[in-house]
Amino acid sequence: DQQVKQNSPSLSVQEGRISILNCDYTNSMFDYFLWYKKYPAEGPTFLISISSIKDKNEDGRFTVFLNKSAKHLSLHIVPSQPGDSAVYFCAASYGNYQLIWGAGTKLIIKP
Amino acid sequence: DAGVIQSPRHEVTEMGQEVTLRCKPISGHDYLFWYRQTMMRGLELLIYFNNNVPIDDSGMPEDRFSAKMPNASFSTLKIQPSEPRDSAVYFCASILGTAGNTIYFGEGSWLTVV
Repeated sequence: DQQVKQNSPSLSVQEGRISILNCDYTNSMFDYFLWYKKYPAEGPTFLISISSIKDKNEDGRFTVFLNKSAKHLSLHIVPSQPGDSAVYFCAASYGNYQLIWGAGTKLIIKP
Repeated sequence: DAGVIQSPRHEVTEMGQEVTLRCKPISGHDYLFWYRQTMMRGLELLIYFNNNVPIDDSGMPEDRFSAKMPNASFSTLKIQPSEPRDSAVYFCASILGTAGNTIYFGEGSWLTVV
């Protein structure tokens, strides 16, 4: 049972445009959500997070939106840059450090 | 800090051989996690430790897999005997439990069992 779903395996976006990566979850007990970025041959690195008490968190070009009623979160990257090309993982947790991970979305930024 | 350090980075072994993966967490971190990444299943949590004690090993796929953390700065994940379906990238990660939920990952150990 996939509790965290990233339904788009890949996404291609023009450089300078907005990239929107989506993530859906099924467990309403999740209270913390994170996005990680992963380059080939490297471990995932933390990007941005959001607590369930918020609906938006912003950090530079990266913004995460949380819609609890829809059990949906999204990561917006504006403007997209070539270095943003990577696999993005959505993860969720509830009260402990066990993260439930999505399958990842490969973002390709076209020049 | 050097971050989470894993070794070996790459391992190719024959079916039936024992494989040992090693991890040094970030100094001061009190939680350590072992993950496995495959194309089919994505990132799976295998086991995690708190203060060197295994807390949840329900993700360990079979008895062929075992993990230890003899001290705060070292952990091993062992597969014996290894099988081709164990081929994956194995990540170690650590976190300081009082500092939120940001987990720091190592660069992974790429295992190929032939």
